[in-house]
Amino acid sequence: GAVVSQHPSRVICKSGTSVKIECRSLDFQATTMFWYRQFPKQSLMLMATSNEGSKATYEQGVEKDKFLINHASLTLSTLTVTSAHPEDSSFYICSARDPGGPQPQHFGDGTRLSIL
Amino acid sequence: GEDVEQSLFLSVREGDSSVINCTYTDSSSTYLYWYKQEPGAGLQLLTYIFSNMDMKQDQRLTVLLNKKDKHLSLRIADTQTGDSAIYFCAETSRGGNQGGKLIFGQGTELSVKP
Repeated sequence: GAVVSQHPSRVICKSGTSVKIECRSLDFQATTMFWYRQFPKQSLMLMATSNEGSKATYEQGVEKDKFLINHASLTLSTLTVTSAHPEDSSFYICSARDPGGPQPQHFGDGTRLSIL
Repeated sequence: GEDVEQSLFLSVREGDSSVINCTYTDSSSTYLYWYKQEPGAGLQLLTYIFSNMDMKQDQRLTVLLNKKDKHLSLRIADTQTGDSAIYFCAETSRGGNQGGKLIFGQGTELSVKP
């Protein structure tokens, strides 16, 4: 079964709305989670690394104030797209690092965000 | 810098073998991975290989690693229509181990025709 749960799976909202996406590790404690963005027919682009109890590390070119990341517990990280605009429409995927397992990262099922 | 490259498309007939190729640049990667992504879904880890291995087989999947040429391949035997998906090759970032950042290739779209 899924070890990383990502919600919601699909969001459609108006321009200017802020949208929160949750990523939960179900069977393990994840000190590190990752947030990716994927455009159609393209690879995953790492946006930021979310560290429990500390500030997220953002990749170059990713706006910190636009994409707010909170990792307040060992099983939950949230990504908030603030004042979303149509260009923010994309597929957002989270993953969680399981230090005790063989896999490097377990992935959520992704969130399809559509801004009208 | 770190880079992972794959061919973009592969089309095979059901029952044939599929071979998806990948080249990478970071020779310090400890593990190399193959992920599968079905439409509208997240990534599913198919298999991984430790850098000191040349080959790993897991049921219909065979991974070959040529460290000298920095070339990784995934062979799917007896390809089925359910194998149609995008396949991503990935390596861990420089200095990382299993917990490091993943560097993904562009993805190879595998189309299996009946």
